[in-house]
Amino acid sequence: NAGVTQTPKFRVLKTGQSMTLLCAQDMNHEYMYWYRQDPGMGLRLIHYSVGEGTTAKGEVPDGYNVSRLKKQNFLLGLESAAPSQTSVYFCASSPAYNEQFFGPGTRLTVL
Amino acid sequence: LAKTTQPISMDSYEGQEVNITCSHNNIATNDYITWYQQFPSQGPRFIIQGYKTKVTNEVASLFIPADRKSSTLSLPRVSLSDTAVYYCLVGPSGSARQLTFGSGTQLTVLP
Repeated sequence: NAGVTQTPKFRVLKTGQSMTLLCAQDMNHEYMYWYRQDPGMGLRLIHYSVGEGTTAKGEVPDGYNVSRLKKQNFLLGLESAAPSQTSVYFCASSPAYNEQFFGPGTRLTVL
Repeated sequence: LAKTTQPISMDSYEGQEVNITCSHNNIATNDYITWYQQFPSQGPRFIIQGYKTKVTNEVASLFIPADRKSSTLSLPRVSLSDTAVYYCLVGPSGSARQLTFGSGTQLTVLP
């Protein structure tokens, strides 16, 4: 099993550009999550999904959109990137309890 | 949401037992306590979860007093490779929305 994978690993954007981060899991987990982590800080929940076709806002959802069209995939979109969105983005998945399995992260820089 | 308080940093020496305490005074009846470990440039990794008394697995023990207002993660005989950030989370099992990663505790193991 690959676990949780994220694409891409690194990306540099210019302000105003758009992009989509892809998260895939092969553990048949119901729940999936997107977090961001800024230097020296803990993770903050952006959006999450409790099942295929469902999404919900987390702690810091502004400027991001998500979609969960397939159970194994969770996409995070930035429609118009801003420098404040420079961060490391982590995807995670879990069955219906607290143990979350995290991906390796995507390091995003917005210039 | 149950707020958690942990020490910002701790130092220890190889071979010692390390205890990291987390305070969660407003923990709810249906909340579980979960600890994660994060190495630089990696996503967090689940260590242990408990509800009350003591839980032990192959890497750590979790001690929870009767009032559940605090918990202590115990790492036996730490090595240099245990240097990481440790996060204490409190929330209902299966609830994605209510899990919050604080700033964590930076544990540094010295030779």
